[in-house]
Amino acid sequence: DAGITQSPRHKVTETGTPVTLRCHQTENHRYMYWYRQDPGHGLRLIHYSYGVKDTDKGEVSDGYSVSRSKTEDFLLTLESATSSQTSVYFCAISTRVGNIQYFGAGTRLSVL
Amino acid sequence: AQSVTQLDSHVSVSEGTPVLLRCNYSSSYSPSLFWYVQHPNKGLQLLLKYTSAATLVKGINGFEAEFKKSETSFHLTKPSAHMSDAAEYFCVVSDRNYGGSQGNLIFGKGTKLSVKP
Repeated sequence: DAGITQSPRHKVTETGTPVTLRCHQTENHRYMYWYRQDPGHGLRLIHYSYGVKDTDKGEVSDGYSVSRSKTEDFLLTLESATSSQTSVYFCAISTRVGNIQYFGAGTRLSVL
Repeated sequence: AQSVTQLDSHVSVSEGTPVLLRCNYSSSYSPSLFWYVQHPNKGLQLLLKYTSAATLVKGINGFEAEFKKSETSFHLTKPSAHMSDAAEYFCVVSDRNYGGSQGNLIFGKGTKLSVKP
């Protein structure tokens, strides 16, 4: 998976608890992305980063925050998880916006 | 605004027969177009990419796609399906905005390909 590690791979949590997902890359790519995948919706962009401490919102950013303190790490936080955030989350990296993106293996999150 | 429509949510073929997965896009300028494949419980893998160099693009595992501007289509084909092709396929578009900057990728909703023995 192109030097991208997502952790954890699976998580079950309860409504109202905070959750942090981590994406780690070894490719030194500038751009990093968080997507969620839901049946019938394809992949939808949550947030993305274009450099250390530089982030922006995507299509479905409500309820999510991100941080990037190092080139290699991009964290996605659900401050207070809700059942609607049950999904599979994918991290991706690229050298340029609009260019080929390489994906991690995904994190399956269940919010009960 | 850019968008992409995958015309079939599910396609079923027999092994050894041709595969056709249909994709139409909407773009205001010069799009980049991609096909990605996702096998069960895996991440997405790039199959091929179009960036205006040639209208017929060859990808991995015998897949190819043809860019047709007049039809705003970018259909994915393979002459002979193999059991290992069973997966979900995503058509993806990235467009330029008026400032000339490339936009983020926009994903179609996916087409699930089943291959019968």
